[in-house]
Amino acid sequence: LAKTTQPISMDSYEGQEVNITCSHNNIATNDYITWYQQFPSQGPRFIIQGYKTKVTNEVASLFIPADRKSSTLSLPRVSLSDTAVYYCLVGDIIGTDKLIFGTGTRLQVFP
Amino acid sequence: AAGVIQSPRHLIKEKRETATLKCYPIPRHDTVYWYQQGPGQDPQFLISFYEKMQSDKGSIPDRFSAQQFSDYHSELNMSSLELGDSALYFCASSPRDRGHGGDTQYFGPGTRLTVL
Repeated sequence: LAKTTQPISMDSYEGQEVNITCSHNNIATNDYITWYQQFPSQGPRFIIQGYKTKVTNEVASLFIPADRKSSTLSLPRVSLSDTAVYYCLVGDIIGTDKLIFGTGTRLQVFP
Repeated sequence: AAGVIQSPRHLIKEKRETATLKCYPIPRHDTVYWYQQGPGQDPQFLISFYEKMQSDKGSIPDRFSAQQFSDYHSELNMSSLELGDSALYFCASSPRDRGHGGDTQYFGPGTRLTVL
């Protein structure tokens, strides 16, 4: 499983776009990139997953450059309720059961 | 939509006691995972089951055991509890939908275990 590095914390204000970048230099060919969100005392919640280029859903966008050594989670127009910890996970999801959580990014959104 | 159910939601035990946590996966999900999250820490994988067989094992102490039953629910049994076992214990399930880009895991609300 590829090791990931992401900022420990980020601050933002309501209505702004937030971009959280994750580095995964030793990503393998079969690895997918998955982001989870966790609120205090709640279980992590799947946000988005991608393999390459760009993926967008109703919650976020995920940008993955051609070399796949990093990825950026983009949250458009954040609100106070987006305050949470965001985890970037990289792994061969199809062949691996477990999720290995590294140190996530604690996003604080201010009014 | 149905979600993962965990019981109890809160549990208080004394040192050296035993505890049993239960997890009911989303209907038609055949894979269950257990994670432990200590105060201020990130979730750590403990163990997983697929079709009632253990499929992977992480940093689960020997004092802990788990199993998945015929109805796919799972139980985490914890014995000789220690103060350091105080944590949130999450169960997650997935449909093991291979070939579609990954197995999204759906987490339950967790059981908060406090060992006194």
